[in-house]
Formats: sequence, structure tokens, C-alpha cells
Amino acid sequence: DAGVIQSPRHEVTEMGQEVTLRCKPISGHDYLFWYRQTMMRGLELLIYFNNNVPIDDSGMPEDRFSAKMPNASFSTLKIQPSEPRDSAVYFCASSPGTSGRETQYFGPGTRLTVL
Amino acid sequence: GDSVTQMEGPVTLSEEAFLTINCTYTATGYPSLFWYVQYPGEGLQLLLKATKADDKGSNKGFEATYRKETTSFHLEKGSVQVSDSAVYFCALTRNTNAGKSTFGDGTTLTVKP
Repeated sequence: DAGVIQSPRHEVTEMGQEVTLRCKPISGHDYLFWYRQTMMRGLELLIYFNNNVPIDDSGMPEDRFSAKMPNASFSTLKIQPSEPRDSAVYFCASSPGTSGRETQYFGPGTRLTVL
Repeated sequence: GDSVTQMEGPVTLSEEAFLTINCTYTATGYPSLFWYVQYPGEGLQLLLKATKADDKGSNKGFEATYRKETTSFHLEKGSVQVSDSAVYFCALTRNTNAGKSTFGDGTTLTVKP
């Protein structure tokens, strides 16, 4: 398997623009997680899905952020409008199960810069 | 709620030195414990894990033992290499929390030749 795939790897945009980040989880994994990593706040869980259904979005910073998972092989994280404080590395991860013993498999991340 | 506390970094060692990165946790029930490693420009990847008390996880010369009595999962390596330079994250997952993990803040390790 190719692992978790994220695109784009780098995104530079201007304040106010819409940004869409994409993720393809590992086939057969039931859980998908979106994280944000910054120097100031470390690794933050934004939202996660089970079988394409959002389970916990309490980490989504505000209404400008939205996430969807239309099918088992694709998810998007959208920021509209983007702000400079959204600059961070965004990771997608997937996991195969629910026992609590499973590993999370991370993608390479998308480095977002909002000017 | 659940929490993971890691030894503050950054940590700088010479090659072949002994490494310890401390990790303690707070959680109800019986969590599984993980160490993830993040190399520059990459995502996190599993280094090792332990799913019950007294289990020892090991990989690539790294070890950590799940100590329920001290709620700890300290990472150790007997002889570090320059290639071990990375950020190390301790994490826990509870089986009653549907796979959601709690991560520590990460500890940056730099190994000098």
C-alpha cells in the first residue's frame, strides 16, 4: 500500500482565499483523522471520522474550517476564508480499528502558508 | 481528561550516548501507549507501542516499558546515532475513546557526531 496520501504538499495563498487540503487514507482503514501542527500549539486534533461519518469535530477552530469524507478513500479539509494564523502543517492520518491498540498512520503533511 | 506529559526538550547528545526521554500519562482505564517519531519534513510514524501493563515495546534499538504503577512509558536507547535526530511523541489511546489519541508535546532530539 502507498500509505496515506496528502495533496498538495505545499500551499501558499493569500489571506481571504479558500484553501482545500486533500487526503486519501490507507485502504481498509475505518478511521481518518485531521491534525494541525504548529510550533506554538504542537499537534492538535481537528476532527476525525469513522466509516466516513464525523465523530468529533470539537477541535475545529472555528466555522471557517470544514471537513468532509464523501467516501472511504477521500477526505477534504477546507478553510474559507483563510487567515495568516492558519499557517501550519496539516496532517491526515488513518487507523484500522477501534480497540485503542491500533497505530495511526500519518501522511506526509501539507505545509500551508497564508500571506 | 486524558493527558500526556513529556520531558521538555530540546535534547542534544553526542553519538553513542545513552538516551532517555521521559513520558508520564493520566488516563482512566487501561490505555495503550505509543511512541511516534517525526523526521524532518515528514509525518509521524510509529516507533513502538505497548498495549498492557508491564509490556515492553521495542524497535530499532529503542525500548519503552509500560509502567502502570508510575503511569510512565519512558523511551530509552543505549547508543544513539546521528540518524536518530528527530522529534519524538509519546501518545495514548483508550479503547473506550474510539481510537482517538492524546499526544504529548514532542521532544526534539539532536545527535551530534
